[in-house]
Amino acid sequence: EDKVVQSPLSLVVHEGDTVTLNCSYEVTNFRSLLWYKQEKKAPTFLFMLTSSGIEKKSGRLSSILDKKELFSILNITATQTGDSAVYLCAVVYNNNDMRFGAGTRLTVKP
Amino acid sequence: AAGVIQSPRHLIKEKRETATLKCYPIPRHDTVYWYQQGPGQDPQFLISFYEKMQSDKGSIPDRFSAQQFSDYHSELNMSSLELGDSALYFCASSSPGQGNTEAFFGQGTRLTVV
Repeated sequence: EDKVVQSPLSLVVHEGDTVTLNCSYEVTNFRSLLWYKQEKKAPTFLFMLTSSGIEKKSGRLSSILDKKELFSILNITATQTGDSAVYLCAVVYNNNDMRFGAGTRLTVKP
Repeated sequence: AAGVIQSPRHLIKEKRETATLKCYPIPRHDTVYWYQQGPGQDPQFLISFYEKMQSDKGSIPDRFSAQQFSDYHSELNMSSLELGDSALYFCASSSPGQGNTEAFFGQGTRLTVV
């Protein structure tokens, strides 16, 4: 059965901490993995990963994919209260099927 | 564990036809969200329901309507379909009443309008 599993489900840190969010998957015909940040109504795109071992970086956020071990991590350094959100991982597979993980709720305290 | 179930998984309709998408939330979840995701785009929030009442409205066209039923499942009705309606339609459920505000997404319905 195809599945996308995120961990942890919830994480509480203080400003300035570094966090690592995990997403593992088991799907047929993997095509890409996407990370989203959901603060209010709809997820906003962060990264798309298709190749193993190539880090994508945007400011304090970075992500990498391991297609051999079937997982991806999202790192956030020097966290700020504005980073508080649910972070969703989604995997595109087969002929553009897409499956979301349950998300990781990150709370950054001042 | 039970997840959010959407049906059908794939749907092909012609222009000007109607379509109905169904969403069955996780048991005991009382909130349902609908999203539309076009190719290469972020999911766009359409509408949400809490306890069978519309709780929030996003960019849902007037040609679309939705409701949540007594068993908490929801249906998105789409009329006068246009080519631009071709997209992935996701449903998510959550249970704010229990302090859990993660939204669990279904697998989506891929609608193709030809």
